Amino acid sequence: TQLLEQSPQFLSIQEGENLTVYCNSSSVFSSLQWYRQEPGEGPVLLVTVVTGGEVKKLKRLTFQFGDARKDSSLHITAAQTGDTGLYLCAGAPSGAGGTSYGKLTFGQGTILTVHP
Amino acid sequence: DTEVTQTPKHLVMGMTNKKSLKCEQHMGHRAMYWYKQKAKKPPELMFVYSYEKLSINESVPSRFSPECPNSSLLNLHLHALQPEDSALYLCASSQDPTGYLWAFGPGTRLTVT
Repeated sequence: TQLLEQSPQFLSIQEGENLTVYCNSSSVFSSLQWYRQEPGEGPVLLVTVVTGGEVKKLKRLTFQFGDARKDSSLHITAAQTGDTGLYLCAGAPSGAGGTSYGKLTFGQGTILTVHP
Repeated sequence: DTEVTQTPKHLVMGMTNKKSLKCEQHMGHRAMYWYKQKAKKPPELMFVYSYEKLSINESVPSRFSPECPNSSLLNLHLHALQPEDSALYLCASSQDPTGYLWAFGPGTRLTVT
């Protein structure tokens, strides 16, 4: 069974501050996705990282995939109130076949609140 | 078209009702999924359809019955649900079960009374 440990679980910060969310595992993933979700809505895919060591930037968001493809981080610079939401990381299984075929492993989520 | 659509957006049903949730995608994705999500928790996988065949059933109670009429449509038939089944039901699709292009629908908020 693949597990993704996501931290912190809760984050409450002021507008303008920086923050980092981490996802760690002892398992290797073929890719790792980051989602943002607002209450009552479906998760919206922010980015997919595929290559070990990869860094992707999306405006104020920076995503990293660990060299061994076991961990990832999301860094937000100068947070805004619109960044408030539930952030989820999800790993896609490495290799086809077996019981993990087709299953995303989700972290427990980080509830981010950005105060004005 | 790069989205997954779900209907209805909200559903309230009694424990003796029969209802269906619908999901549609036109991205040519060959894997489709049903997830259940409780508030502030990650989605939990229920079913996976791969090339229109049920490939994973995560020991879901038989009161939930999935159906994949074709490669673009996915249904979830509901019968004799319990109040604890109230949740956000999410449909997702991907290029294939190992593909990394995933998309989630907006969900159906289900309340069982």
